[in-house]
Amino acid sequence: EVQLEESGGGLVQPGGSLRLSCAASGFTFNTYAMNWVRQAPGKGLEWVSGVRGGGDSSYYADSVKGRFTISRDNSKNTLYLQMNNLRADDTALYYCAKSARDGNNDYFDYWGQGTLVTVSS
Amino acid sequence: DIVMTQSPDSLAVSLGERATINCKSSRSVLYSSNNKNYLAWYQVKPGQPPKLLISWASTRESGVPDRFTGSGSGTDFTLTISCLQAEDVAVYYCQQYWGTPYTFGQGTKLEIK
Repeated sequence: EVQLEESGGGLVQPGGSLRLSCAASGFTFNTYAMNWVRQAPGKGLEWVSGVRGGGDSSYYADSVKGRFTISRDNSKNTLYLQMNNLRADDTALYYCAKSARDGNNDYFDYWGQGTLVTVSS
Repeated sequence: DIVMTQSPDSLAVSLGERATINCKSSRSVLYSSNNKNYLAWYQVKPGQPPKLLISWASTRESGVPDRFTGSGSGTDFTLTISCLQAEDVAVYYCQQYWGTPYTFGQGTKLEIK
């Protein structure tokens, strides 16, 4: 059974940093791309970032480019999102989502429960 | 970026009736080399993560009831829920995965009339 468990969310001040983690199990982690998708309160879904299975290629939404860094540790079956220079509009529930394949043109077949990030002074 | 626009924003349908949600992309998500539409539909219920319903515009995921049907090609797509059940109350999103940045529609809230 595929399981994705996010952690690391919390309250942070504007300009601060936070690192999210996503522990994966139930599939061969290094053979699938992984992603972060967020949902701001009362808003829709927004893809944030993705990384190929080998970790060699990563992709970002313009809204986070230069501030967020996605990475993965395939030895630990864990996905990360380092978030720097956080802004109020980064406040959202952040989901870890598994791609159906290893590429940059995939849908998301499994999602975690999400971890809440609140940026506020 | 490919902009995805759903209609309507909200919809109220009686139990047992049909619900139809539309999704339009700003450019075609049909890949000519394999004749596949890179379009997915997700269901989001309150307090739950998104659930994949349909991929490739019309391929229903395992375990998804057959009352959920995806159709369309190119830039215009439809999710049809025939014989609406109470458990279908949710927000539905379309998503293009033709390329990054992946983009979602704004969502359609489905309620019972």
